[in-house]
Amino acid sequence: QVHLQESGPGLVKPSETLSLTCTVSGYSISSGYYWGWIRQSPGKGLEWIGFVYRSGNPYYNPSLKSRVTISVDTSKNQFSLRLSSVTAADAAVYYCARVTYGDYYFDYWGQGSLVTVSS
Amino acid sequence: EIVLTQSPGTLSLSPGERATLSCRASRSVADSYLAWYQQKPGQAPRLLIYGASTRATGIPDRFSGSGSGTDFTLTISRLEPEDFAVYYCQENVNSREITFGPGTKVDIK
Repeated sequence: QVHLQESGPGLVKPSETLSLTCTVSGYSISSGYYWGWIRQSPGKGLEWIGFVYRSGNPYYNPSLKSRVTISVDTSKNQFSLRLSSVTAADAAVYYCARVTYGDYYFDYWGQGSLVTVSS
Repeated sequence: EIVLTQSPGTLSLSPGERATLSCRASRSVADSYLAWYQQKPGQAPRLLIYGASTRATGIPDRFSGSGSGTDFTLTISRLEPEDFAVYYCQENVNSREITFGPGTKVDIK
């Protein structure tokens, strides 16, 4: 069974960089699929952030592209999200997920990681 | 940019009733790129339907998806107590740019 688990600080100061890691078990990242991030602001809908292939070729939401970096570490079976220059608008639950190759839907999700932005 | 509109915003029904949820795209989308998710409070979304009409693994057959072009529908034939949740449609734009609809909440009447 594929399992994803987010980890990282729950509190980030404004203007700093949000960093989260997703650890995958039950499947090897190097075997395929894309690996992505989605966020959900409190009481709001889902926003796609981006995804990356095992080779590290990323695709980002154009609205976040200038601040986002998603990378893969196949040796640790992990992938990571960095979001720079955060503001209160970036406070959300951040989910990592597996993305099917070709159809681009999310078939396995992590439980989510709540990130608060505050000084 | 494709915009997905879901209606109604809230659907109030009783267990055993039929739920019909709509997802409309601002321009035509490929069927294979339309998916539906269910999200319960405090939980991650769960994939229900992909390719507009294919049920994901383990999804009961009371859930069905249909539609093409700009209009897609998720139908729950007989609501079970565990089906009361928020439902999102999702499409990918230009194959590698993903959009979610705003969601439809199905609550107990």
